[in-house]
Formats: sequence, structure tokens, C-alpha cells
Amino acid sequence: GESVGLHLPTLSVQEGDNSIINCAYSNSASDYFIWYKQESGKGPQFIIDIRSNMDKRQGQRVTVLLNKTVKHLSLQIAATQPGDSAVYFCAENMMGRDDKIIFGKGTRLHILP
Amino acid sequence: GAVVSQHPSWVICKSGTSVKIECRSLDFQATTMFWYRQFPKQSLMLMATSNEGSKATYEQGVEKDKFLINHASLTLSTLTVTSAHPEDSSFYICSAKGQNYEQYFGPGTRLTVT
Repeated sequence: GESVGLHLPTLSVQEGDNSIINCAYSNSASDYFIWYKQESGKGPQFIIDIRSNMDKRQGQRVTVLLNKTVKHLSLQIAATQPGDSAVYFCAENMMGRDDKIIFGKGTRLHILP
Repeated sequence: GAVVSQHPSWVICKSGTSVKIECRSLDFQATTMFWYRQFPKQSLMLMATSNEGSKATYEQGVEKDKFLINHASLTLSTLTVTSAHPEDSSFYICSAKGQNYEQYFGPGTRLTVT
């Protein structure tokens, strides 16, 4: 079925280095994608989003890249900090279908001191 | 920014009893709210879409008679887990859609059924 998935369940990164979290989606009709951060015991926190008519979008310390040809998303976090430790989800917003947000499997980002 | 609250933040109930979880949009009106369930170390799974003044739409495999959803006002949706069993223990999260396309998530409710 249609789904949004992630390549890596766990990613360990040295503090100060850049982190790259990847995501694959299978529905070529998807037109809106979101990255969320979830800390333990809390709800998802919006990080950044991108529409299918864009290839790249930058925020503060974060960049999302979209490759529609291979249906791939990535989240880049610059100068990773201890506070970035969390589980990161890519999600697909099913525009035109009650705006459902369908979540991928998640990647845990672990920051090494 | 828009704030969504959930109450309670955690609840413990005995098997066979029912428990109600509230989801409120505090500073905006939400015609549509969504309910998710998250088991440990897993992703959020959409359970149902709740529209104000109408019946909820449930995802495939979600029992509508077990998970009762009521969206009686533009700022409140409730999820009632009826005849709860230990396998219903999970983290329940709601989201609310504002006037724009954005959705705002609540902090979640931890349900433990003993």
C-alpha cells in the first residue's frame, strides 16, 4: 500500500557535526511533506515542510530536500546539538483527502558527546 | 502559535472500564481534528478523522464501537476507549487543523490499562 518510510531506524552523530535523516515515500501523487521531531513522552513538533513544487527549503539550522524523481526526502540538521536528540518523522499530508497526515517509521537521532 | 491541549496527560484504568480523553484547541477553532495512537518505539498511526458536527471517519481496522469520537464544538473533540483492555495501552495523540492548512499536535495522553 501507499506509505512513507525511513531508511535508518537509528542515527548516531557527533555533537557539532551535521545530521542527515532520509525518508522514502511511495505515493507519487503526494504533494506536501512535513518533518516532525518527537521527544520522549511528548507530541510531535513541527520542524519544516515542503511542497512538491520545490526541491529545497531552508529553516534555522535545518534544510529539507525533495527528490521527486526517486521519491526521496531528507532532513539536514547543521551543527547538531544535544537538544536535537529525538525521534524524527517524515510525514505525508494527503491533500484533498481530509488533509490526513500519514507518518513514516521514524529515525532516532543520538548525539555523541 | 496555535496550542492544542489534551486531558488527562496520563491515565490508568482497570480492564473492562471506559476512559475519555479530551483534545482542545485553545486559541483557534478547529473544524477537523485527528486522533492517533502510538505504541512504544513505533510511529503514529492515524485512527480517525473527527469533523465538528458530524460522525468521525475511521481508518481501516479501527473499531468505531470501541473508540468513540465526539466533536461537539469547534474547540473540543473527545475519544472514549470503551471496555478497555491491556492491549489498548498506548500513547494517544490528537491534532487539530486550523484555518490554514497547518495541523497542530497535542502533547499526548498515556493510557495504561491494568
